[in-house]
Amino acid sequence: AQTVTQSQPEMSVQEAETVTLSCTYDTSESDYYLFWYKQPPSRQMILVIRQEAYKQQNATENRFSVNFQKAAKSFSLKISDSQLGDAAMYFCAYNNQGGKLIFGQGTELSVKP
Amino acid sequence: KAGVTQTPRYLIKTRGQQVTLSCSPISGHRSVSWYQQTPGQGLQFLFEYFSETQRNKGNFPGRFSGRQFSNSRSEMNVSTLELGDSALYLCASSRGLAGVVEQFFGPGTRLTVL
Repeated sequence: AQTVTQSQPEMSVQEAETVTLSCTYDTSESDYYLFWYKQPPSRQMILVIRQEAYKQQNATENRFSVNFQKAAKSFSLKISDSQLGDAAMYFCAYNNQGGKLIFGQGTELSVKP
Repeated sequence: KAGVTQTPRYLIKTRGQQVTLSCSPISGHRSVSWYQQTPGQGLQFLFEYFSETQRNKGNFPGRFSGRQFSNSRSEMNVSTLELGDSALYLCASSRGLAGVVEQFFGPGTRLTVL
């Protein structure tokens, strides 16, 4: 069975600095998708970034980028120029095209002014 | 375009009762997935519907059931409620098969079982 692990329950970053959130996963599949979702206090889940496993190039979305290491089954999220609005719970998620997202336990990110 | 809507937003029930939660997907989206979020278990997949057919089901007891209507709206039912069913229930919709295309989440229904 596929699993997703986020080893950092909490992280803190100074405003305007860079922070990296870690995620590892376990799967025997070769084709799959990886996601980072953000859940602010409002509880609305928002997609931050998505990576297709067959693409070697790391995905980027403005200040958000990933470091996807397929062989190591690692998928970390880097947030550059952190802003107060980035404070939220971040979830790493895996999908093997089967319609079922498997989530990690989450990393709570706080941003200090 | 309106986002995913879930009703009701908050619900309080007692043990043994049953409850029905509703999810209206984004217009044009044919796939609806349901997730349960609790502090202890995190986010867990319940089931996914595509064009009125259940395509995937998570590891939940038969007390949890769902359905999807021809307009893609979906309902989730929990019978014989237990204290452990207290959770945030999230619905997500996607244009095509979930997992291949992006899923958009609703605001959730907060269920409290007393």
